[in-house]
Amino acid sequence: DTEVTQTPKHLVMGMTNKKSLKCEQHMGHRAMYWYKQKAKKPPELMFVYSYEKLSINESVPSRFSPECPNSSLLNLHLHALQPEDSALYLCASSQPTESSEAFFGQGTRLTVV
Amino acid sequence: AQSVTQPDIHITVSEGASLELRCNYSYGATPYLFWYVQSPGQGLQLLLKYFSGDTLVQGIKGFEAEFKRSQSSFNLRKPSVHWSDAAEYFCAVPYTGGFKTIFGAGTRLFVKA
Repeated sequence: DTEVTQTPKHLVMGMTNKKSLKCEQHMGHRAMYWYKQKAKKPPELMFVYSYEKLSINESVPSRFSPECPNSSLLNLHLHALQPEDSALYLCASSQPTESSEAFFGQGTRLTVV
Repeated sequence: AQSVTQPDIHITVSEGASLELRCNYSYGATPYLFWYVQSPGQGLQLLLKYFSGDTLVQGIKGFEAEFKRSQSSFNLRKPSVHWSDAAEYFCAVPYTGGFKTIFGAGTRLFVKA
């Protein structure tokens, strides 16, 4: 199984809503990532978890809250988002070594209204 | 700091023609290098990776890339392009000291019949 599964595929939320994005992998990877991608831009790293501990937070606003309940799951909790947060949110996983390539999910297309 | 540059924002080729996408890297030591492809609204898929050894790397979907240290380049090639190759292509390098991938700006490939 070389898949990273993200749910939901599409999400529309209001600025006062609370929602969560979910990501799951069963490749035994111990590093998991959240990226944000705006149209016609490369992915921007948001968070990295290594061995279920947050190791990188790229100065992401607190309205985004990551969680790694176990080695297979990664969540991104969303609260009080702004319209400019609308984007494709990508989850990825890899072995926790520099040479390891990341495997990406299909993404969640988020629209904030 | 490590970085990759993709000088071409977009490229158009005819179906059946050959393709070369350019990537230049900035890296102190021998780099690890990746090429990813992203179809519209989808996640990223690894095409190929270079770690060391043979400078010509074979990937999936008929793609190959050649590492040239003297030119600091890692260009992606395909001898005959298919309409399904139309997508965004990202060159990438891992960030030393953390589990993080640094992406180039991307090259959008258009394929004309």
